[in-house]
Amino acid sequence: DSGVTQTPKHLITATGQRVTLRCSPRSGDLSVYWYQQSLDQGLQFLIQYYNGEERAKGNILERFSAQQFPDLHSELNLSSLELGDSALYFCASSVAGTSGLNEQFFGPGTRLTVL
Amino acid sequence: AQSVSQHNHHVILSEAASLELGCNYSYGGTVNLFWYVQYPGQHLQLLLKYFSGDPLVKGIKGFEAEFIKSKFSFNLRKPSVQWSDTAEYFCAVNYGGSQGNLIFGKGTKLSVKP
Repeated sequence: DSGVTQTPKHLITATGQRVTLRCSPRSGDLSVYWYQQSLDQGLQFLIQYYNGEERAKGNILERFSAQQFPDLHSELNLSSLELGDSALYFCASSVAGTSGLNEQFFGPGTRLTVL
Repeated sequence: AQSVSQHNHHVILSEAASLELGCNYSYGGTVNLFWYVQYPGQHLQLLLKYFSGDPLVKGIKGFEAEFIKSKFSFNLRKPSVQWSDTAEYFCAVNYGGSQGNLIFGKGTKLSVKP
């Protein structure tokens, strides 16, 4: 158990819908990262938050957004869903927000299926 | 562009065989290097990491990796694999600076035959 929790574990929805994925980082970690894992693209970095503020953006679509709340949990919002958004979405957390001793701990993931 | 390459998509070994999984990254100055493992149905777990110092890094479960700066490589090794090592292995790189995100390779699936 990494200490990072994600809900829900599975999500099945239809095209055009909107969903919210939730992540709680390890106690004491200030950074939260979101990654998407799909068969064709592999593991892709989406976005990073550090202590409530956006720190870095990766291959995140405009239909996707995220935020980190004062209690440091984070939510990833996916809207206007398409079939190609079906993937495993991982959240990771780390103490720091920058490079260096930045070991990331991963949650169990949310498997999103868009029908 | 920053990228990480893992040479083998699927490796099949018998128990007790030696393992070496290749990982190369594109040049980007100072890097921090990681190997993660994903057992079937589970989340990513850190095997080992390199930040600085001795380029030969030892991790959990008997794994080690060697950072060769001149070759931009960080290959993972284990002298004798077990059936329980069956998993997918991901090499990841943090390219430093103010961002902490990781760039992952596509992964290598390891199947160990008992």
